[in-house]
Amino acid sequence: VQLLESGGGLVQPLESLRLSCAASGFTFSSYAMHWVRQAPGKGLDWVSGIGGDGGAGYADSVKGRFTISRDNSKNTLYLQMNSLRVEDTAVYYCARRYCSGDGCYPLDYWGQGALVTVSS
Amino acid sequence: DIQMTQSPSSLSASVGDRVTITCRASQGISNYLAWYQQKPGKVPKLLIYAASTLQSGVPSRFSGSGSGTDFTLTISSLQPEDVATYYCQKYNSAPHTFGQGTKLEIK
Repeated sequence: VQLLESGGGLVQPLESLRLSCAASGFTFSSYAMHWVRQAPGKGLDWVSGIGGDGGAGYADSVKGRFTISRDNSKNTLYLQMNSLRVEDTAVYYCARRYCSGDGCYPLDYWGQGALVTVSS
Repeated sequence: DIQMTQSPSSLSASVGDRVTITCRASQGISNYLAWYQQKPGKVPKLLIYAASTLQSGVPSRFSGSGSGTDFTLTISSLQPEDVATYYCQKYNSAPHTFGQGTKLEIK
């Protein structure tokens, strides 16, 4: 299993950025995928998740600004981040989550993360 | 939204000690509770899911318990490699909130 984030960088407040997470080593379409962020020196902060069927959820702090999506044909997860704020500065991790008829499980594999810095 | 509160925020213990970290949900979450370990500079690692089920490959000195609103993570005999920050997370429904973390150090 490999999850590789890309697209991080330095942007100014109110600008946009799109993160990608390329998945390999498992059947991507069978898993829900999530984004979790970690501000420098701070704890883990759940951002968003999307099911294999495309159903999505967001943290209140990013609702209306961030959009999660996936392309199962490319085994890739995305996070479109608009109207970025200084407080969005963090390492953004993608992680997978398995759901079956027996229920759903937590995040068992994580990528290495992509750093997003929002600063003027 | 359901809040997750961990205690203590930091903890110092000796090698061989029994260590307990607690996590409280502001509303019942059944057993949809996971524990993660994050070592300095590393990616979080899943330790326990369904409140008490050990993830494959995790040492048996780690255990979890609880249901509803109150949960615990126990390390039966602390080892030097257990130095890390530990997080709980609810995963029954969005938002999948994390606790604020417990930083564990060796005394």
